[in-house]
Amino acid sequence: NAGVTQTPKFQVLKTGQSMTLQCAQDMNHNSMYWYRQDPGMGLRLIYYSASEGTTDKGEVPNGYNVSRLNKREFSLRLESAAPSQTSVYFCASSRTSGIPNEQFFGPGTRLTVL
Amino acid sequence: AQTVTQSQPEMSVQEAETVTLSCTYDTSESDYYLFWYKQPPSRQMILVIRQEAYKQQNATENRFSVNFQKAAKSFSLKISDSQLGDAAMYFCAYRVNTDKLIFGTGTRLQVFP
Repeated sequence: NAGVTQTPKFQVLKTGQSMTLQCAQDMNHNSMYWYRQDPGMGLRLIYYSASEGTTDKGEVPNGYNVSRLNKREFSLRLESAAPSQTSVYFCASSRTSGIPNEQFFGPGTRLTVL
Repeated sequence: AQTVTQSQPEMSVQEAETVTLSCTYDTSESDYYLFWYKQPPSRQMILVIRQEAYKQQNATENRFSVNFQKAAKSFSLKISDSQLGDAAMYFCAYRVNTDKLIFGTGTRLQVFP
């Protein structure tokens, strides 16, 4: 099992450009999440998907859109990148049946917006 | 709103010694879960230990243990017999409903030989 995979690992964008961060999990998890990690801020939830076909806003959703393409994949899109979106982005997944539900994280994508 | 506070931005410990990382949280819920995650330089987030709020017994995983004080809303991590591989950022996290995690700002642990 690969667990949670993210592509790309690194990306540099110019202000105003768009891009999609891809995330996939092979653990048959129902829930998936997107976080961003900024220096001194810890991880903050951008969007999450409790199950296939549903998405909800997290703590910092502005400037982002998400798509739960199927049970395995959950993408994060930046329509018009801004320097404030320079960050490390993490995707995570978890089961929803059974407690506690550990979240498994991908390796992260380091995004720089110039 | 739920918050998680880690008041120690950096800590250091000598190899084989014991270190305790602090975490406090604020919540009005009675049933919740608490976690410690480790983030080494590779950036991969790794679950270290979890604690269910309804359990009075402190969780233990090998060299890692917690001191969970529910009334004080405190959740500290003790690392015994510290190893060089323990050097990392450590994040305390609180789980609300629907599995959303709220993270603290992290503590950077350095381990000296």
